[in-house]
Amino acid sequence: DIQMTQSPSSLSASVGDRVTITCRASHSISSYLNWYQQKPGKAPKVLIYAAFSLQSGVPSRFSGSGSGTEFTLTISSLQPEDFATYFCQQSYISPWTFGQGTKVDMK
Amino acid sequence: QVQLQESGPGLVKPSETLSVTCTVSGASISDYYWSWIRQTAGQGLEWIGRLYNSGSANYNPSFKSRVTMSVDTSKNQFSLKLSSVTAADTAVYYCVRDLEQWLVGGKDSWFDPWGQGTLVTVSS
Repeated sequence: DIQMTQSPSSLSASVGDRVTITCRASHSISSYLNWYQQKPGKAPKVLIYAAFSLQSGVPSRFSGSGSGTEFTLTISSLQPEDFATYFCQQSYISPWTFGQGTKVDMK
Repeated sequence: QVQLQESGPGLVKPSETLSVTCTVSGASISDYYWSWIRQTAGQGLEWIGRLYNSGSANYNPSFKSRVTMSVDTSKNQFSLKLSSVTAADTAVYYCVRDLEQWLVGGKDSWFDPWGQGTLVTVSS
């Protein structure tokens, strides 16, 4: 299975901050990488698919980049509603696997 | 707008079979692929398997022969059965649309939308 490792596991930030989360794959996955946001008590929702494509309805402050084994999710200016946990997921080869998550909380 | 809703027993005894059903609205179940994903405190998010609109399935080998997925097109529902459960199978189980599309770089897939999830606890 392809292992997905996110860093950091958690971070504290303030409204307006630029936030970057990294996801590394144990093998090259080209651009087959998706990002999800999960708020407490809710199901995850997709933010970014295919490494950098913004899901419809997702604010443009979210962006994704990377290919191969290293990917980043960037929030250009953190908003109050962005405090949540973020997961990456590879869709390159079955079984699809997820990172362990990065929790973004308020500084 | 596609919506998914899980229904399950809440509590299952060890060694028994966990059974969860997902009801889909806003889309025909025959038009898409569907997956089950679970979330545990220890293992995080785990993909369990994908159900194709042909009725065939692709399972995560981690669940070996314990898992069975099926579809009921007359009810627009699909189901998950996980046998011989232990406490380690205690989790929130999500049903999701497994959206596969052709993009510039090839065929890709992602999970959207997700059901709200149902907590299944394995305990005697």
